[in-house]
Amino acid sequence: AQTVTQSQPEMSVQEAETVTLSCTYDTSESDYYLFWYKQPPSRQMILVIRQEAYKQQNATENRFSVNFQKAAKSFSLKISDSQLGDAAMYFCAYRSAVNRDDKIIFGKGTRLHILP
Amino acid sequence: KAGVTQTPRYLIKTRGQQVTLSCSPISGHRSVSWYQQTPGQGLQFLFEYFSETQRNKGNFPGRFSGRQFSNSRSEMNVSTLELGDSALYLCASSLDDSPIYEQYFGPGTRLTVT
Repeated sequence: AQTVTQSQPEMSVQEAETVTLSCTYDTSESDYYLFWYKQPPSRQMILVIRQEAYKQQNATENRFSVNFQKAAKSFSLKISDSQLGDAAMYFCAYRSAVNRDDKIIFGKGTRLHILP
Repeated sequence: KAGVTQTPRYLIKTRGQQVTLSCSPISGHRSVSWYQQTPGQGLQFLFEYFSETQRNKGNFPGRFSGRQFSNSRSEMNVSTLELGDSALYLCASSLDDSPIYEQYFGPGTRLTVT
């Protein structure tokens, strides 16, 4: 069975600095999707960034980028120029691209604090 | 376009009661998924519906059930509530059940069981 592990329950970063959130996963599948979701306090969860396993190039969305290491099964999220609005719970998630019926699997989350 | 809506937003129930939560997906979305979020267990998948059919079910007891209507709106029901059912229940919709489509989450229903 697939698993997703986020080893950092909480992290803090100074405003305008860069922070990296870690995520590792375990799977025997060769094709899958990886996601980072952001859940701000008392607000809806939104998709930050998505990576397709067959794509070598790391995904980037403005200040958010990932470091996808397929062989190491690692999928970290880098947030550049951190802003107060980045404070949130961040979830790493996995979904099979092979078996359509497979459910999405979330990590336990990392709570990110932005220090002014 | 309106986002995913969930009703009610907050609910307090007593042990042994049953509860029904509702989710209205984004217009045009045919897939609806439900998740339970607790501080201890994180986000756990409950079930996914697509075109009124349950496509997948998580590891929850039979007290948890759901359904989807022809307009894609979905409900989930929890019978014989237990204290451990206290959680934030999230609904997410997507165009269809393929993983290439983004899931859009609703604000959640906060259920407290006393």
